[in-house]
Amino acid sequence: KAGVTQTPRYLIKTRGQQVTLSCSPISGHRSVSWYQQTPGQGLQFLFEYFSETQRNKGNFPGRFSGRQFSNSRSEMNVSTLELGDSALYLCASSLDRSQPQHFGDGTRLSIL
Amino acid sequence: GESVGLHLPTLSVQEGDNSIINCAYSNSASDYFIWYKQESGKGPQFIIDIRSNMDKRQGQRVTVLLNKTVKHLSLQIAATQPGDSAVYFCAENGGGFKTIFGAGTRLFVKA
Repeated sequence: KAGVTQTPRYLIKTRGQQVTLSCSPISGHRSVSWYQQTPGQGLQFLFEYFSETQRNKGNFPGRFSGRQFSNSRSEMNVSTLELGDSALYLCASSLDRSQPQHFGDGTRLSIL
Repeated sequence: GESVGLHLPTLSVQEGDNSIINCAYSNSASDYFIWYKQESGKGPQFIIDIRSNMDKRQGQRVTVLLNKTVKHLSLQIAATQPGDSAVYFCAENGGGFKTIFGAGTRLFVKA
Protein backbone atom coordinates (compact mmCIF):
# COMPACT_ATOMS: atom_id res chain seq x y z
CA LYS A 1 0.00 0.00 0.00
CA ALA A 2 1.47 3.35 -1.01
CA GLY A 3 2.10 5.84 1.76
CA VAL A 4 1.22 9.50 1.94
CA THR A 5 2.72 11.38 -0.96
CA GLN A 6 3.52 15.07 -0.83
CA THR A 7 4.61 17.21 -3.74
CA PRO A 8 6.79 19.02 -4.33
CA ARG A 9 9.50 17.97 -1.85
CA TYR A 10 11.29 21.30 -1.99
CA LEU A 11 10.12 24.74 -2.97
CA ILE A 12 11.74 28.16 -2.99
CA LYS A 13 9.60 31.26 -3.16
CA THR A 14 9.98 34.97 -2.52
CA ARG A 15 8.02 37.18 -0.19
CA GLY A 16 4.61 38.14 -1.45
CA GLN A 17 4.19 35.13 -3.70
CA GLN A 18 1.68 32.38 -3.13
CA VAL A 19 2.19 28.63 -3.06
CA THR A 20 0.12 25.47 -3.36
CA LEU A 21 1.21 22.19 -1.82
CA SER A 22 -0.31 18.84 -2.63
CA CYS A 23 -0.98 15.72 -0.60
CA SER A 24 -2.21 12.31 -1.70
CA PRO A 25 -3.38 10.26 1.29
CA ILE A 26 -3.18 6.53 1.79
CA SER A 27 -5.88 4.79 -0.21
CA GLY A 28 -9.06 4.57 1.84
CA HIS A 29 -8.10 7.33 4.26
CA ARG A 30 -10.61 10.14 4.23
CA SER A 31 -9.09 12.33 6.94
CA VAL A 32 -6.23 14.57 5.92
CA SER A 33 -4.43 16.93 8.30
CA TRP A 34 -1.76 19.51 7.64
CA TYR A 35 0.99 20.62 9.99
CA GLN A 36 3.73 23.20 9.94
CA GLN A 37 7.03 22.15 11.48
CA THR A 38 9.71 24.64 12.45
CA PRO A 39 12.67 24.30 14.84
CA GLY A 40 11.27 26.97 17.13
CA GLN A 41 7.59 26.01 17.22
CA GLY A 42 7.64 22.29 16.61
CA LEU A 43 4.66 20.65 14.93
CA GLN A 44 1.75 23.04 14.70
CA PHE A 45 -1.67 21.94 13.51
CA LEU A 46 -3.00 23.84 10.50
CA PHE A 47 -6.30 22.16 9.57
CA GLU A 48 -8.04 18.84 9.10
CA TYR A 49 -10.35 17.72 6.33
CA PHE A 50 -12.72 14.81 6.11
CA SER A 51 -14.88 14.07 3.09
CA GLU A 52 -14.13 17.49 1.60
CA THR A 53 -15.15 19.34 4.78
CA GLN A 54 -12.82 21.24 7.06
CA ARG A 55 -13.54 19.96 10.54
CA ASN A 56 -10.96 21.88 12.54
CA LYS A 57 -8.52 24.69 12.08
CA GLY A 58 -5.44 25.73 14.01
CA ASN A 59 -4.34 29.22 14.98
CA PHE A 60 -2.94 30.38 11.69
CA PRO A 61 -3.83 33.52 9.73
CA GLY A 62 -6.30 33.43 6.88
CA ARG A 63 -3.41 33.39 4.40
CA PHE A 64 -3.29 29.67 5.07
CA SER A 65 -6.09 27.74 3.44
CA GLY A 66 -6.79 24.27 2.25
CA ARG A 67 -9.22 22.05 0.48
CA GLN A 68 -9.94 18.43 -0.08
CA PHE A 69 -11.19 16.80 -3.23
CA SER A 70 -13.67 13.98 -3.67
CA ASN A 71 -10.82 11.48 -4.04
CA SER A 72 -9.48 12.65 -0.63
CA ARG A 73 -6.44 14.33 -2.13
CA SER A 74 -5.78 17.63 -0.44
CA GLU A 75 -4.05 20.89 -1.18
CA MET A 76 -2.99 23.72 1.02
CA ASN A 77 -2.37 27.23 -0.16
CA VAL A 78 -0.40 30.02 1.42
CA SER A 79 -0.84 33.49 -0.02
CA THR A 80 1.30 36.59 0.42
CA LEU A 81 4.24 34.58 1.67
CA GLU A 82 6.32 35.91 4.54
CA LEU A 83 9.81 34.97 5.63
CA GLY A 84 8.36 33.30 8.70
CA ASP A 85 6.45 30.86 6.54
CA SER A 86 9.68 29.01 5.83
CA ALA A 87 9.06 25.57 7.27
CA LEU A 88 8.48 21.91 6.63
CA TYR A 89 4.82 21.36 5.78
CA LEU A 90 3.59 17.91 6.65
CA CYS A 91 0.47 16.13 5.57
CA ALA A 92 -0.98 13.18 7.44
CA SER A 93 -3.86 10.88 6.65
CA SER A 94 -5.92 8.54 8.76
CA LEU A 95 -9.13 6.56 8.61
CA ASP A 96 -10.70 8.97 11.08
CA ARG A 97 -10.27 10.57 14.45
CA SER A 98 -8.68 8.37 17.12
CA GLN A 99 -6.88 6.39 14.45
CA PRO A 100 -3.15 6.63 13.81
CA GLN A 101 -2.09 9.35 11.44
CA HIS A 102 0.40 8.45 8.76
CA PHE A 103 2.68 11.21 7.56
CA GLY A 104 4.28 12.07 4.29
CA ASP A 105 7.87 13.28 4.18
CA GLY A 106 6.76 16.87 3.80
CA THR A 107 7.39 19.82 1.55
CA ARG A 108 10.32 22.00 2.56
CA LEU A 109 9.31 25.58 1.78
CA SER A 110 11.96 28.29 1.82
CA ILE A 111 11.06 31.95 1.49
CA LEU A 112 13.72 34.33 0.24
CA GLY B 1 -4.93 25.78 27.21
CA GLU B 2 -4.16 22.40 25.79
CA SER B 3 -0.55 21.41 25.71
CA VAL B 4 1.60 18.37 25.50
CA GLY B 5 5.11 18.70 26.82
CA LEU B 6 8.20 16.61 27.23
CA HIS B 7 10.33 16.54 30.33
CA LEU B 8 13.69 16.22 28.55
CA PRO B 9 14.71 17.68 25.21
CA THR B 10 17.55 15.17 24.72
CA LEU B 11 18.27 11.67 25.92
CA SER B 12 21.51 9.76 25.46
CA VAL B 13 21.64 6.00 26.06
CA GLN B 14 24.08 3.20 25.51
CA GLU B 15 23.29 0.67 22.80
CA GLY B 16 21.51 -2.28 24.36
CA ASP B 17 20.12 -0.31 27.29
CA ASN B 18 16.45 0.50 27.73
CA SER B 19 15.22 4.03 26.94
CA ILE B 20 12.38 5.85 28.62
CA ILE B 21 10.94 9.00 27.08
CA ASN B 22 8.42 10.92 29.14
CA CYS B 23 5.58 13.22 28.25
CA ALA B 24 3.11 15.32 30.22
CA TYR B 25 -0.24 16.42 28.90
CA SER B 26 -2.66 18.94 30.30
CA ASN B 27 -6.02 18.12 28.73
CA SER B 28 -7.77 15.64 30.98
CA ALA B 29 -10.37 15.13 28.25
CA SER B 30 -7.81 13.64 25.85
CA ASP B 31 -8.72 10.09 25.07
CA TYR B 32 -6.17 9.00 22.51
CA PHE B 33 -2.39 9.24 22.65
CA ILE B 34 0.23 8.47 20.07
CA TRP B 35 4.01 8.23 19.90
CA TYR B 36 5.85 9.12 16.73
CA LYS B 37 9.45 8.79 15.64
CA GLN B 38 10.97 11.27 13.22
CA GLU B 39 14.26 10.70 11.49
CA SER B 40 16.16 13.41 9.70
CA GLY B 41 14.59 14.35 6.39
CA LYS B 42 11.48 12.28 6.94
CA GLY B 43 8.00 12.75 8.27
CA PRO B 44 6.96 11.41 11.68
CA GLN B 45 6.44 7.68 11.75
CA PHE B 46 3.75 6.09 13.89
CA ILE B 47 5.19 3.88 16.64
CA ILE B 48 2.40 2.99 19.03
CA ASP B 49 -0.83 4.39 20.38
CA ILE B 50 -2.97 3.97 23.47
CA ARG B 51 -6.52 4.89 24.36
CA SER B 52 -7.55 6.37 27.66
CA ASN B 53 -9.27 3.18 28.79
CA MET B 54 -5.89 1.45 28.93
CA ASP B 55 -2.85 1.88 31.17
CA LYS B 56 -0.30 -0.01 29.14
CA ARG B 57 0.20 -1.23 25.64
CA GLN B 58 3.07 -3.19 24.20
CA GLY B 59 4.47 -3.40 20.72
CA GLN B 60 7.63 -4.78 19.28
CA ARG B 61 10.38 -3.57 21.67
CA VAL B 62 8.20 -0.63 22.69
CA THR B 63 5.79 -0.11 25.53
CA VAL B 64 3.59 2.89 26.20
CA LEU B 65 2.37 3.63 29.70
CA LEU B 66 -0.46 6.01 30.48
CA ASN B 67 -1.05 7.46 33.92
CA LYS B 68 -4.25 9.46 33.77
CA THR B 69 -4.05 10.45 37.42
CA VAL B 70 -0.98 12.59 36.85
CA LYS B 71 -1.54 13.06 33.11
CA HIS B 72 1.68 11.40 32.15
CA LEU B 73 2.67 9.30 29.17
CA SER B 74 5.88 7.40 28.63
CA LEU B 75 7.51 5.41 25.86
CA GLN B 76 9.86 2.61 26.77
CA ILE B 77 12.21 1.18 24.16
CA ALA B 78 13.84 -2.09 25.04
CA ALA B 79 17.39 -2.94 23.97
CA THR B 80 17.90 0.40 22.25
CA GLN B 81 19.65 0.19 18.90
CA PRO B 82 21.50 2.79 16.82
CA GLY B 83 18.55 2.80 14.44
CA ASP B 84 16.40 4.13 17.25
CA SER B 85 18.26 7.44 17.17
CA ALA B 86 15.66 10.03 16.20
CA VAL B 87 13.31 12.64 17.61
CA TYR B 88 10.32 11.20 19.44
CA PHE B 89 7.04 13.04 19.74
CA CYS B 90 4.10 12.33 21.93
CA ALA B 91 0.74 13.53 20.71
CA GLU B 92 -2.76 13.71 22.07
CA ASN B 93 -6.19 13.85 20.56
CA GLY B 94 -8.30 15.76 22.99
CA GLY B 95 -11.55 16.04 21.18
CA GLY B 96 -12.32 17.80 18.00
CA PHE B 97 -10.37 16.73 14.98
CA LYS B 98 -6.85 17.86 15.66
CA THR B 99 -3.82 16.25 17.18
CA ILE B 100 -1.57 18.24 19.49
CA PHE B 101 2.10 17.39 19.45
CA GLY B 102 4.69 17.78 22.15
CA ALA B 103 7.98 19.53 21.58
CA GLY B 104 9.91 16.32 20.94
CA THR B 105 12.82 14.48 22.58
CA ARG B 106 15.97 13.71 20.66
CA LEU B 107 17.29 10.24 21.43
CA PHE B 108 21.00 9.57 20.92
CA VAL B 109 22.17 5.98 21.00
CA LYS B 110 25.85 5.48 21.75
CA ALA B 111 27.53 2.45 20.26
